[in-house]
Amino acid sequence: KAGVTQTPRYLIKTRGQQVTLSCSPISGHRSVSWYQQTPGQGLQFLFEYFSETQRNKGNFPGRFSGRQFSNSRSEMNVSTLELGDSALYLCASSLGQNMNTEAFFGQGTRLTVV
Amino acid sequence: AQKVTQAQTEISVVEKEDVTLDCVYETRDTTYYLFWYKQPPSGELVFLIRRNSFDEQNEISGRYSWNFQKSTSSFNFTITASQVVDSAVYFCALSEGSYSGGGADGLTFGKGTHLIIQP
Repeated sequence: KAGVTQTPRYLIKTRGQQVTLSCSPISGHRSVSWYQQTPGQGLQFLFEYFSETQRNKGNFPGRFSGRQFSNSRSEMNVSTLELGDSALYLCASSLGQNMNTEAFFGQGTRLTVV
Repeated sequence: AQKVTQAQTEISVVEKEDVTLDCVYETRDTTYYLFWYKQPPSGELVFLIRRNSFDEQNEISGRYSWNFQKSTSSFNFTITASQVVDSAVYFCALSEGSYSGGGADGLTFGKGTHLIIQP
């Protein structure tokens, strides 16, 4: 059974640009969540999608957005990139519609903003 | 608001020693879930255990064991006879159980404990 796949693994962008990250959950999982990991703030919840609907959103500015497709694949978008957006972005998939079920994480996308 | 504290930033032990990673949590909910994840250098978070707030029974899985004590709001993780392959960053996390479909905070993670097992 394939795990959670995140693409790309590494990305370098310039300030002001926008970026789109992709996450393919485990087959059959309908919930996808996104997290940002930085050395200073640690792991922080971005948002969660279930059946193409955003169910929860963390405390991040509107520049961070996401969506989920009918096949449960999810994308997150960051517009007008700032240096502080440099981070490891992790995606998690789970069977249930909340984080109380076991969540499986991908290897992440490491974004560097220069 | 929920909060998870892992006071130990880094622990270094020699192989075969036992080591305990501490986790203290705060929540106002009576129903909640606690997790431990391992993050090796490759970056992905590897699920280790989930425990709900109504189940205080300790759990053992091979060399791993977990001690959940609601009285002290702690969910500690012990590795017995540590091995070099156990070297990683370990995260404790909390999810509140009063899920109503909106406004929840996902998983709240502690800052992590970097465990170094020296040969």
